[in-house]
Amino acid sequence: GAVVSQHPSRVICKSGTSVKIECRSLDFQATTMFWYRQFPKKSLMLMATSNEGSKATYEQGVEKDKFLINHASLTLSTLTVTSAHPEDSSFYICSAAGLGHYEQYFGPGTRLTVT
Amino acid sequence: KNQVEQSPQSLIILEGKNCTLQCNYTVSPFSNLRWYKQDTGRGPVSLTIMTFSENTKSNGRYTATLDADTKQSSLHITASQLSDSASYICVVSVGGANNLFFGTGTRLTVIP
Repeated sequence: GAVVSQHPSRVICKSGTSVKIECRSLDFQATTMFWYRQFPKKSLMLMATSNEGSKATYEQGVEKDKFLINHASLTLSTLTVTSAHPEDSSFYICSAAGLGHYEQYFGPGTRLTVT
Repeated sequence: KNQVEQSPQSLIILEGKNCTLQCNYTVSPFSNLRWYKQDTGRGPVSLTIMTFSENTKSNGRYTATLDADTKQSSLHITASQLSDSASYICVVSVGGANNLFFGTGTRLTVIP
């Protein structure tokens, strides 16, 4: 099956700093990648959708200047949380879909803690 | 409004017992329905995926059913194991991989 990895698996950063999370599709070309955040005991909430080589499409209420998404290649997308605040602490999950695939393949998630 | 609702919100069962989780949806137009297992601190892992014409699909001890007329699905777990403790999420798709509607999940705890 398709494998998606994320790095790091967990990160702790200080308030005001920026942190980058990587999402990689290991064995297929991901034409579309998705970024989700998940709060404790809640379901996944879509933040943005990115197509390779294009600007990401953000969901309503998600600040594009705060959550910078880059999808420069067919196997890598990055999410940068800029000027992080404690309320940004959450579980961030990416997923990827290839051309012609009708399923998203999820990464293992990244636990972000902002102190 | 496109919605996916799951019940129960949480469930505790004894090891070896069976259980059934429910999913009701109002998503339209329907493309497919998936059940995912999400361990704590991990990403969702696909268990089953069903299209409109499929009524049931099994994956080991997991059996999913779909009634497209009533817009209901269930996930039945037989002979539960401690490792089945996780959140189970029902996800309904509207055409392709890009439009997914997530249920809030059922938190299953299997105790010895």
